[in-house]
Amino acid sequence: DSGVTQTPKHLITATGQRVTLRCSPRSGDLSVYWYQQSLDQGLQFLIQYYNGEERAKGNILERFSAQQFPDLHSELNLSSLELGDSALYFCASRGPYNEQFFGPGTRLTVL
Amino acid sequence: AQSVAQPEDQVNVAEGNPLTVKCTYSVSGNPYLFWYVQYPNRGLQFLLKYITGDNLVKGSYGFEAEFNKSQTSFHLKKPSALVSDSALYFCAVINTDKLIFGTGTRLQVFP
Repeated sequence: DSGVTQTPKHLITATGQRVTLRCSPRSGDLSVYWYQQSLDQGLQFLIQYYNGEERAKGNILERFSAQQFPDLHSELNLSSLELGDSALYFCASRGPYNEQFFGPGTRLTVL
Repeated sequence: AQSVAQPEDQVNVAEGNPLTVKCTYSVSGNPYLFWYVQYPNRGLQFLLKYITGDNLVKGSYGFEAEFNKSQTSFHLKKPSALVSDSALYFCAVINTDKLIFGTGTRLQVFP
């Protein structure tokens, strides 16, 4: 158990819909990273937050957004969903030596 | 740009034999390198990291990795493979605080 929690574990929705994925980092960690894992794109960095502020952006679509709240949990919002958005979405928090600890992931299926 | 390459999609090894999963890197400056493992339907688990110091890094579950600067490699090794080591292995490098992953290598250990 990494100490990073993610909910829900599975999400099934239809095209055009909007969903919210939730992540809580390990106790004491200020950073949250979001990654997408898909069969064709592999593991890709989406976005990073540090203590409530956006720090870095990767290959994140404009239909996707995220935020980190004062209690340090983070939410990833995915809207106008397309079939190609089906993937595993991971969040991670950063340890003291730059290693990242990953949550169990949310498997999103868009039908 | 920082990147890592995993030249083998799959590695097959018999239980009890030594295993090697290959990774090469391309970075500017000093590399921060990592290995992660992903078991079916699970998140990524941190195995080990190289930041600086000894070229042989020991990690979880009996795994180790050898950093070779002249060959720009960071191969993952284990002296005696177990069937339970069968999983997907990712090499990664830090790029301005986010992880850049290789494409992954599927390790299959046969009894």
